[in-house]
Amino acid sequence: DTAVSQTPKYLVTQMGNDKSIKCEQNLGHDTMYWYKQDSKKFLKIMFSYNNKELIINETVPNRFSPKSPDKAHLNLHINSLELGDSAVYFCASSQDIGAIAPQHFGDGTRLSIL
Amino acid sequence: KQEVTQIPAALSVPEGENLVLNCSFTDSAIYNLQWFRQDPGKGLTSLLLIQSSQREQTSGRLNASLDKSSGRSTLYIAASQPGDSATYLCAVSNDYKLSFGAGTTVTVRA
Repeated sequence: DTAVSQTPKYLVTQMGNDKSIKCEQNLGHDTMYWYKQDSKKFLKIMFSYNNKELIINETVPNRFSPKSPDKAHLNLHINSLELGDSAVYFCASSQDIGAIAPQHFGDGTRLSIL
Repeated sequence: KQEVTQIPAALSVPEGENLVLNCSFTDSAIYNLQWFRQDPGKGLTSLLLIQSSQREQTSGRLNASLDKSSGRSTLYIAASQPGDSATYLCAVSNDYKLSFGAGTTVTVRA
């Protein structure tokens, strides 16, 4: 029973396209996150939502737009994809805000821009 | 801005040897520190979480210590096994978010 699931697992597309990544958690958590892991393996927070409200937006280009239709889902839409967007994107969730509780991660979505 | 550094970047040991992984951070005003394991092509698995008021946490062969005042944490893995081969990430929590180190990639040789 997957706790945090992301789809798709792999995404290969051309520069300039628009794409979405979906994330769902079945842990009953209030807070969800998107992280980006670049080629040097650094994980950086992009967004955090608590009870469907945006809490953290870490100077991410406005081509990236998160959407949380309910507490269990946090989707990431990316417009006008650029080469530098190639990375692994991880969704995570935690019981509450503040990064005090442990965070649970999905398996990642590997985005490759041609 | 919080900066997290992990040393060494890579480590290769024979099976049975104890592992010592180091993590340092620049801002000591943290809520907690977490150690994660990442397998190739997979997400992160939380191993241990140490609250800022604690000095260590243990789970099986894993022991993590925290010295908040000096901005350091150490993860010890006793009697390493080939299955311990993975990348280990340290993350500190403050300002409502986690800041990660680049990780230590561990290879345990059979």
